[in-house]
Amino acid sequence: EIVMTQSPATLSVSPGERATLSCRASQSVSSKLAWYQQKRGQAPRLLIYGASTRATGIPARFSGSGSGTEFTLTINSLQSEDFAVYYCQQYSNWPPYTFGQGTKLEIK
Amino acid sequence: QVQLVESGGGVVQPGNSLRLSCAASGSSFGMHGMHWVRQAPGKGLEWVALIWFDGSKQYYADSVQGRFTISRDNSQNTLYLQMNSLRAEDTAVYYCARLFGDYIDYWGQGTLVTVSP
Repeated sequence: EIVMTQSPATLSVSPGERATLSCRASQSVSSKLAWYQQKRGQAPRLLIYGASTRATGIPARFSGSGSGTEFTLTINSLQSEDFAVYYCQQYSNWPPYTFGQGTKLEIK
Repeated sequence: QVQLVESGGGVVQPGNSLRLSCAASGSSFGMHGMHWVRQAPGKGLEWVALIWFDGSKQYYADSVQGRFTISRDNSQNTLYLQMNSLRAEDTAVYYCARLFGDYIDYWGQGTLVTVSP
């Protein structure tokens, strides 16, 4: 089973600033990595797939990078609606599909 | 626009059974694999099961293997999760989610299952 580890667990950033979230896989997942955003009381929403491709309707301030075992989600010019929990997920080697434990992005 | 609506959640005693449903909108339901993913209260996401677009293959997390069964009725655009021998640790919001290629693109709003005496 591939273990996904996200850091930090909580990230405090001011609106308008940049947030950088990390995700590490216990073995290579190539570029088969997705990022999801989950707001309180809501279902997750796909942001990024293929490590770096934005999903339909996702603003350009969201970007993903990385391959193999190290991945980054960057959110530029943070908006109030961006404060949420973010999960990475690998779909390279399954079952099981595995998620990171999440990074909570909070307002500083 | 894809819409997934789960139902069937509720409070159930340990050892009992429950069946969840997920109704999908649109005519492409039968073209996509479907997942169940769960989230225990205050916790992260845990993949539960996957079924192929035509129902020919199913895959399960070790934690539910032998107790849960995923199935689908493409004529009714509906996905199911039969949950038997429920345990307290199965308490969670259960989401159905669509497999697009090899990643999840759409999620339902979830249905809460509480396993409690």
